[in-house]
Amino acid sequence: NAGVTQTPKFQVLKTGQSMTLQCAQDMNHNSMYWYRQDPGMGLRLIYYSASEGTTDKGEVPNGYNVSRLNKREFSLRLESAAPSQTSVYFCASTRTGVNYGYTFGSGTRLTVV
Amino acid sequence: KQEVTQIPAALSVPEGENLVLNCSFTDSAIYNLQWFRQDPGKGLTSLLLIQSSQREQTSGRLNASLDKSSGRSTLYIAASQPGDSATYLCAGTYNFNKFYFGSGTKLNVKP
Repeated sequence: NAGVTQTPKFQVLKTGQSMTLQCAQDMNHNSMYWYRQDPGMGLRLIYYSASEGTTDKGEVPNGYNVSRLNKREFSLRLESAAPSQTSVYFCASTRTGVNYGYTFGSGTRLTVV
Repeated sequence: KQEVTQIPAALSVPEGENLVLNCSFTDSAIYNLQWFRQDPGKGLTSLLLIQSSQREQTSGRLNASLDKSSGRSTLYIAASQPGDSATYLCAGTYNFNKFYFGSGTKLNVKP
């Protein structure tokens, strides 16, 4: 099984450029998440989608938008990239319910110059 | 706001030593607690998931415990090996939608 697949793995953007990070899972999970990981800050939730057709803000949503395209795919868009958005971005998914843990993708390393 | 804390931030031990990593959380109404391993430049690999009705889970040389009343979870690694060197993160969920992560403990096992 592929699990959670993220593309691209690396990206360099100039300030003000836009881009979309893609995430797809093949485990028939209902819930999907976007996190960013920064040194000393741990993982912080940006947005999540509890089920197809719904999205909600997490801890640090400013500067980002998301789309739950279908049950498999959850994308994260940066409309106007800023240096503060330089980070490693992780997508995760899980089944609905309290008895299941996360499965993570391998991450996208984004640098905004 | 739920907070998850991991102390120490870094730990160095000689090969073969048994060790314990600590995770504490502020809200005892936790549903699940999950331990992850992260290698440099890589994603997070799930190690163990403890549900709120459980007190511990075991996988090979790893044993994780959960004590909701004290707000603590521990990850015990037996007979540590250099290949265990990585950052270990714990994450707790208070509803099924969101996990809250600690900042991790960076483990170095010296040959």
